[in-house]
Amino acid sequence: GENVEQHPSTLSVQEGDSAVIKCTYSDSASNYFPWYKQELGKGPQLIIDIRSNVGEKKDQRIAVTLNKTAKHFSLHITETQPEDSAVYFCAASYTGGFKTIFGAGTRLFVKA
Amino acid sequence: DTGVSQDPRHKITKRGQNVTFRCDPISEHNRLYWYRQTLGQGPEFLTYFQNEAQLEKSRLLSDRFSAERPKGSFSTLEIQRTEQGDSAMYLCASSLQGALRYGYTFGSGTRLTVV
Repeated sequence: GENVEQHPSTLSVQEGDSAVIKCTYSDSASNYFPWYKQELGKGPQLIIDIRSNVGEKKDQRIAVTLNKTAKHFSLHITETQPEDSAVYFCAASYTGGFKTIFGAGTRLFVKA
Repeated sequence: DTGVSQDPRHKITKRGQNVTFRCDPISEHNRLYWYRQTLGQGPEFLTYFQNEAQLEKSRLLSDRFSAERPKGSFSTLEIQRTEQGDSAMYLCASSLQGALRYGYTFGSGTRLTVV
């Protein structure tokens, strides 16, 4: 069935360092890959997304890369700050459908 | 518009009781979704509405669960005869069909605890 695997489950970095979270998806029909940030007591918030016709997208300190052949996509956060500490979820969906499959999440700790 | 609103934020109920949650999506969004999230996991799809029509239900949604979206505006999710395994965060999200960004806007969720 459809599945999104996410690694690592926990990531601890020093403030200013970079953080990388990796995901793999199984459904070849997936063509839209959003990333969400979830802070304690809140719902997930969309922070960046990428479509399958693009290999890389950047928005300030965050960037996503997509390798459609290998079914891999990654989130890169540079110059991490304490406020980046949260749980990050990757997800995959098909824009012609309705369901988004989420990874299990990565808890990011940024130490000041 | 203040985003997606969910009510209540927290609900503690005894096993066997019925509970109902409400979601008010972003007003111009025609798509509404319910997801369930348990501790340490990502959200899992429960059901999806396009306008007032419920177009898909997950196998996770047993007969004890029912969702409605009358008039294509707010939605309710009811759980009958709650079980301890129903304890989770219930998230509502909305989106606009045809928007450039297909991602969801989530509410803050309703945390259900069944004791």
